[in-house]
Amino acid sequence: DAGITQSPRHKVTETGTPVTLRCHQTENHRYMYWYRQDPGHGLRLIHYSYGVKDTDKGEVSDGYSVSRSKTEDFLLTLESATSSQTSVYFCAISESYGTSGAGELFFGEGSRLTVL
Amino acid sequence: GESVGLHLPTLSVQEGDNSIINCAYSNSASDYFIWYKQESGKGPQFIIDIRSNMDKRQGQRVTVLLNKTVKHLSLQIAATQPGDSAVYFCAENIFRETSYDKVIFGPGTSLSVIP
Repeated sequence: DAGITQSPRHKVTETGTPVTLRCHQTENHRYMYWYRQDPGHGLRLIHYSYGVKDTDKGEVSDGYSVSRSKTEDFLLTLESATSSQTSVYFCAISESYGTSGAGELFFGEGSRLTVL
Repeated sequence: GESVGLHLPTLSVQEGDNSIINCAYSNSASDYFIWYKQESGKGPQFIIDIRSNMDKRQGQRVTVLLNKTVKHLSLQIAATQPGDSAVYFCAENIFRETSYDKVIFGPGTSLSVIP
């Protein structure tokens, strides 16, 4: 299994509070991603990173920010959590991206966030 | 538009039978496709991939077929086992010349294996 650790694995918080999810990898992969998974929607990309301090938005980035100060860590922050952000969040990593290589994503175990 | 969908949200098969999971995609610019398996409480795990210049690719007990004419992808699992029970996602990779490729996941098909 790829060395990906997400923390926390479970969190319950209240509307309006800030939340930070952490993804830590030991594979030294260049690309890191944050997805959310909701019933009927599959996996949707929130943000991704193509290097230290290099990040870009995905398809559902509103209300989320990310930071990557080290190769191994990718943080997802909800500045003011809302109930619509209740979801399971997955971090993923890849050595290459899309057609430039294999494109295979390695996923973490997920972080279940509930916003009351 | 860009979309990846699965024809059947749930699929039940008898242990030992073959399973076929289907996926439709709409973007002709998609050049690479991946199937992922997600077991309960875990993250998705790579099963097999196929590039758009191929029609078929085989792995261990799994085969992926790609029909670009009708934009259809399928995953065949031979001799389905209880351990194959999971949600299966197809994902399409859309090449973009001026940006990083876009990966779109389908909503998933839940496979249940009946002992």
